[in-house]
Amino acid sequence: DVVLTQTPVSLLISLGGQASISCRSSQSLVHSNGNTYLHWYLQKPGQSPQLLIYQVSNRFSGIPDRFSGSGSGTDFTLKISRVEPEDLGVYYCLQRTHNPWTFGGGTKLELK
Amino acid sequence: EVQLQESGPGLVKPSQSLSLTCSVTGYSITSNYWGWIRKFPGNKMEWMGYISYSGSTSYNPSLKSRISITRDTSKNQFFLQLNSVTTEDTATYYCARYSTGFDYWGQGVMVTVSS
Repeated sequence: DVVLTQTPVSLLISLGGQASISCRSSQSLVHSNGNTYLHWYLQKPGQSPQLLIYQVSNRFSGIPDRFSGSGSGTDFTLKISRVEPEDLGVYYCLQRTHNPWTFGGGTKLELK
Repeated sequence: EVQLQESGPGLVKPSQSLSLTCSVTGYSITSNYWGWIRKFPGNKMEWMGYISYSGSTSYNPSLKSRISITRDTSKNQFFLQLNSVTTEDTATYYCARYSTGFDYWGQGVMVTVSS
């Protein structure tokens, strides 16, 4: 199975600050069709996960441009600029290039 | 608006089967892919499998032959059955639509496996 390693495990950020989360894959996530199926999710406390970024760098509908995704191959990054209270929760990366689809271990974003 | 809602028992005895229903409104399950994901105590998330718009399925091999995902298109519902459960299957179970990603999720149902 593809292992997605997320770092850091937890992140203390001040309001208005910037957060960066890494997701490293044990294999290249480039699909045979040329697409890279690496997505990012946020699970806020008491809520279901929500899609933030799909296919590395595409913001899902309604997601503010404070969220950005980048990367290629095996190394991916989610950046959150101007952190707001509503950004707190656990962030996950997910790959569906290889079967089985796998999640990263999660990164908890908390306020400093 | 697309909405999903899981339903099913919150408590299952070891060795029995876990059965959950995902009811979908606002969108037909004969389009896209429809998956089950679970979150264990702590942060670990696991993709369990999906059923496609055509009714084909794909499962996480870690669940081996214990899992089955089926659907009833007349009711716009899809189902999860997980056999021979153990305490390690205690988790919150989510159903979700997969389009460009898992873009719509149910609220989740917590299932405890205990005697």
